[in-house]
Amino acid sequence: NAGVTQTPKFRILKIGQSMTLQCTQDMNHNYMYWYRQDPGMGLKLIYYSVGAGITDKGEVPNGYNVSRSTTEDFPLRLELAAPSQTSVYFCASRGTSGASYNEQFFGPGTRLTVL
Amino acid sequence: RKEVEQDPGPFNVPEGATVAFNCTYSNSASQSFFWYRQDCRKEPKLLMSVYSSGNEDGRFTAQLNRASQYISLLIRDSKLSDSATYLCVVNKGQSYGQNFVFGPGTRLSVLP
Repeated sequence: NAGVTQTPKFRILKIGQSMTLQCTQDMNHNYMYWYRQDPGMGLKLIYYSVGAGITDKGEVPNGYNVSRSTTEDFPLRLELAAPSQTSVYFCASRGTSGASYNEQFFGPGTRLTVL
Repeated sequence: RKEVEQDPGPFNVPEGATVAFNCTYSNSASQSFFWYRQDCRKEPKLLMSVYSSGNEDGRFTAQLNRASQYISLLIRDSKLSDSATYLCVVNKGQSYGQNFVFGPGTRLSVLP
């Protein structure tokens, strides 16, 4: 299993540009999450999904959008990038039963800089 | 008050030392608790869950005090490879999607 994969690893955007951060998991997990982590801060939840076709806002959703058309994929869209969106973005997934019920598995992260 | 607070750190300790990290949480309805480890410029990974009776995994011991809303992590005989940031994570037990709250982390450097 590859686990949770994210692309790209790094990206520099200009103010006002848009981009999509990709996230894929191969563990057949229903729950998926997008977090951002600013230096010295904890992870903050942007959006989450409890299954294909179902998404909901987290703590800091403004400026982002998500979709969940399949169990495996959970892309995060940034529209009109702003410097405040400079951060490290982590995607995570979690199962709904067994040993993986409470454990979140994270992707390697995307480092985004908006200039 | 933040939902999950941790020792600010950083902790710089010599190899072989014992080090303890503290974490407090504000929501008394919180149901489950975890310690994650995050290496520099890497993703968080689950270190251990924290059970009411306390639990141990090798050199690592986690304790939970529900009355004081306090969680601790003890690392004995520190190794250089223990250098990382330790994240306290609390499951608030609310809506099933957005119920995990991460603390800011405490950075540990184990020195030779």
